[in-house]
Amino acid sequence: QVQLVQSGAEVKKPGASVKVSCKASGYTFTNYAITWVRQAPGQGLEWMGWISAYNGDTKYAQNVQDRFTLTTDKSTSTAYMELRSLRSDDMAIYYCTRDSVYGSKSGSRDSWGQGTRVTVSS
Amino acid sequence: QSVLTQPPSASGTPGQRVTISCSGSSSNIGSNYVYWYQQLAGMAPKLLIHSDNERPSGVPDRFSGSKSGTSGSLAISGLRSEDESDYYCAAWDDSLSVLLFGGGTKLTVL
Repeated sequence: QVQLVQSGAEVKKPGASVKVSCKASGYTFTNYAITWVRQAPGQGLEWMGWISAYNGDTKYAQNVQDRFTLTTDKSTSTAYMELRSLRSDDMAIYYCTRDSVYGSKSGSRDSWGQGTRVTVSS
Repeated sequence: QSVLTQPPSASGTPGQRVTISCSGSSSNIGSNYVYWYQQLAGMAPKLLIHSDNERPSGVPDRFSGSKSGTSGSLAISGLRSEDESDYYCAAWDDSLSVLLFGGGTKLTVL
């Protein structure tokens, strides 16, 4: 069955960087993309960006694009999300989700990782 | 404030039918598919409805989606206690080039 398993919780100081991994299994990794969604405490869902596991094409939300990088490692079927210059409002649970290789406009996000809690605190 | 507008709360008694609305605009719901996700407390979101009204395998047929113009709706019939959850709508926005989520609706089963 399709599974997305994310790395564990992180605690970072303001200004630091965080890198979260998302290991996929149960499907052909390069036939899909990975989208990242975050959820601040008590808040709703926010789309952050999308990366094609086929060719590495990316699309980022404008409010994070200067600090946000998505990558994939085809050899291990793993996607990575890096967020730099962390601020208090970056504190959230970060989810990876399987998406269409043609973009989030075309995909349904049918499988989700368990989430990674990122705490930003001095 | 979300561009896709959902009521913050909804409620019903077991066996009832409830609907949750999601209001958008011509650049999102009006021209792209609506998706619905269920998020149980402390869990990751789960896809309930895709492509406006399609259910993934494994989702009970008590859940149904519809769309009219720039609004989408999620209907839950035969309400059960385990349906108590947060529900989010989503749609791609062609003007903003982002996937938008509604603010979420907390469903309480009385």
